[in-house]
Order: sequence, then C-alpha cells, then structure tokens
Amino acid sequence: QQQVKQSPQSLIVQKGGISIINCAYENTAFDYFPWYQQFPGKGPALLIAIRPDVSEKKEGRFTISFNKSAKQFSLHIMDSQPGDSATYFCAASTGAGSYQLTFGKGTKLSVIP
Amino acid sequence: DVKVTQSSRYLVKRTGEKVFLECVQDMDHENMFWYRQDPGLGLRLIYFSYDVKMKEKGDIPEGYSVSREKKERFSLILESASTNQTSMYLCASSLPTNRATKAFFGQGTRLTVV
Repeated sequence: QQQVKQSPQSLIVQKGGISIINCAYENTAFDYFPWYQQFPGKGPALLIAIRPDVSEKKEGRFTISFNKSAKQFSLHIMDSQPGDSATYFCAASTGAGSYQLTFGKGTKLSVIP
Repeated sequence: DVKVTQSSRYLVKRTGEKVFLECVQDMDHENMFWYRQDPGLGLRLIYFSYDVKMKEKGDIPEGYSVSREKKERFSLILESASTNQTSMYLCASSLPTNRATKAFFGQGTRLTVV
C-alpha cells in the first residue's frame, strides 16, 4: 500500500519557469513532510520541510504548499534553473521523533535552457 | 559537514554469495539507516539502528541483516544474494533529535547480482 503518492514521474520545465510537484498522503498520523533532492550519482539531501500547522513554507526559490484537509502537499520551484535538474522525493513521517520516513516514488525534473 | 561514506560505489556479486555493504559516518550520529532505491519505487527502509548493537526492521528487511558493532559503522549483509536484490543501496545517519527527518545520506552503492 503506497502511503505517499507523488506526481508527476517526470517533469520538463523551461529555464525561468515554475516547477510543481505534487504529493498526496493517506495516513492522517503523518505530521512532518520533508522534501529531498537527489542529483545524479549522489545521495538524497534534505531540501525543505513543513509541519501541518502552517499552510506554506518558503526558502529561497523553493516553497511547500500544504493542504491538510485534502491531505496534499506540493513543492514549487520558482524561476527554475538548469542546476535544479534532479530527482525530488516527497516524504512523510509521524513527526521529527520518528525513525521512519515514507517516501514518494520520486519526480525527475529537467530544466532546459 | 556530515560525511557518510559507503565503501563501494559499484559491486557485482554472484547469486548465493554473502555480500557486505559498509557505511561509516564521521559525525558521531546515534542513528543510522539502510535504504534501498529502485526506479519508480522511491526509497524503502530496510533496517535502522539507534545505538550500538541495536537494530530495528524497516519496511523490507527480508533477505537482509545488519551489524552495528561501533557507533560510526553500520553494515548491511545480504546472507545469500539474489537477483531481486540488484538495486541502489543508500546509507544514512542522523542525530537523535532529528532521527529520520534530517538524515544525511551517503552516495550509494549500486549492487548488481548476476
């Protein structure tokens, strides 16, 4: 049973455009939602994270939007750059004290000049 | 910066072999994790450890075991490798306060079982 559904699988965006990746979850016990970024040949790295007590969190060009009632959250990359080309994973856990992260299947983003 | 080092980037092993994947972290983190990454499946937790000699099963522990004799080192063992264990294996570590949510990952070991 997939607990975190991520879409799209792949995404091509023009340089300067907005990249949007969506995730939906089922487990209402989830209360911490990180996004990880993975470049080819590298391990994933934490990009940004949100808790459900806020509807939006912004760090530079990266924004998480969170809709608790719909059990959905999304990553927006503003002014997308070729250097943003990577695979992005959304994830969820039952709080920062949890050892377990449930990952989405990943989105391969390509930003073309 | 935290450094998580996996001993091999690429490994090719034969079916039935016993395989050891080694991971070392240099930041004195209590928590260490082994994930498996497959295309279209994301990352799946195999085992984790929150202290020396302690281990807990993750989502897909079957066919794997782990060893943590020292705080900085966490080993994943495939007792009898099978072709369906061909995958990218990622090790991670984290502080106790952050546990899985701020995990630092190694570069991965791509294992091929033939």
